[in-house]
Amino acid sequence: GQQLNQSPQSMFIQEGEDVSMNCTSSSIFNTWLWYKQDPGEGPVLLIALYKAGELTSNGRLTAQFGITRKDSFLNISASIPSDVGIYFCAGQLIGGGADGLTFGKGTHLIIQP
Amino acid sequence: EAGVTQFPSHSVIEKGQTVTLRCDPISGHDNLYWYRRVMGKEIKFLLHFVKESKQDESGMPNNRFLAERTGGTYSTLKVQPAELEDSGVYFCASSPNLNTGELFFGEGSRLTVL
Repeated sequence: GQQLNQSPQSMFIQEGEDVSMNCTSSSIFNTWLWYKQDPGEGPVLLIALYKAGELTSNGRLTAQFGITRKDSFLNISASIPSDVGIYFCAGQLIGGGADGLTFGKGTHLIIQP
Repeated sequence: EAGVTQFPSHSVIEKGQTVTLRCDPISGHDNLYWYRRVMGKEIKFLLHFVKESKQDESGMPNNRFLAERTGGTYSTLKVQPAELEDSGVYFCASSPNLNTGELFFGEGSRLTVL
């Protein structure tokens, strides 16, 4: 099955720093999505990308759908304490048989005071 | 509007016992999904309902897992008999639209098998 390689696995940063994480795959996806999971909660959608090369922003978050359709990155600018959590990338392949999302293992963001 | 709700939030059972997890999707969402995350691993797709029909169950690990969605409303996921490797967080998600990755997740049901 498809696999997503998400990195880094965890990040320890200072408040105010910028953050960058990415996902790569050997498979082509039609859609890339980024979700965030707060402790004790379920994942919440942050950004959805539908076109190769697409660059989308949502407040301090920016994500891009790689031109090869095999990768995506998420940037967070000027991090704040509420950015703490686990960030998951997810790819969707429509028409490929399995219609569920393929998730990465997550990037655990920790902000040090 | 109520979100996706899951019950129980945490279940601790012994190997060989049975557990049934329940999911109530957002009202009006025809698409209901079950996912599972084992500690430190990726969130893995289990199956997808469209209304009461199983659209895709290719992610179900084995025949110890049984999912139902009678009437096309809430869904249950039964594990019988439970094994140690079944431990993890089981997420339910719903969506109003087919073929979109924009899912609304519940808080998850944590299953611990001892």
